[in-house]
Amino acid sequence: DVKVTQSSRYLVKRTGEKVFLECVQDMDHENMFWYRQDPGLGLRLIYFSYDVKMKEKGDIPEGYSVSREKKERFSLILESASTNQTSMYLCASSSFYSPLHFGNGTRLTVT
Amino acid sequence: SQQGEEDPQALSIQEGENATMNCSYKTSINNLQWYRQNSGRGLVHLILIRSNEREKHSGRLRVTLDTSKKSSSLLITASRAADTASYFCATALGYGNNRLAFGKGNQVVVIP
Repeated sequence: DVKVTQSSRYLVKRTGEKVFLECVQDMDHENMFWYRQDPGLGLRLIYFSYDVKMKEKGDIPEGYSVSREKKERFSLILESASTNQTSMYLCASSSFYSPLHFGNGTRLTVT
Repeated sequence: SQQGEEDPQALSIQEGENATMNCSYKTSINNLQWYRQNSGRGLVHLILIRSNEREKHSGRLRVTLDTSKKSSSLLITASRAADTASYFCATALGYGNNRLAFGKGNQVVVIP
């Protein structure tokens, strides 16, 4: 079974802090994704990566950056956290034609 | 970009009944997928239907796709309490799954 592991289930950070969300997958998938999920808005794609050191902006990349130094790990970085980034963050991975496999999410609260 | 739109948004049914959800989308697609999300967890893939398919079955799930109407339906037969979850449709606009557009989700509650 594919396993996508997100490092934290819950995080509380202060406005202005730099925040790192980590995601690791164990199936050698080429693609990795970061989504945020908000009530009434569904899932929105922040960034995705189709290879090591490669990244592409999704629909809402502002205020975020990503890093993929190793194939199995995809990090989401909030350079200066703001309250409007309070959300559930979901990481996913896939190979080119496979469905997405999701982690259990990180619920981030920025105060 | 948000493309899929599920309808109805919330559904409450008795155990043993069938649950039907619809999803509409706006642009041409390569495939359409349905995912389930249990409370506080990540999404789990249920079924994928390609644009040249009209119907697909997987266990108690039946998915239809009407590309002329740009819509899909998910039917769960003989529902169980464990089917209580949110269900999302997602459309793949190109080949592969690099850019999936998810709908807002459809909450289903199955009452034992």
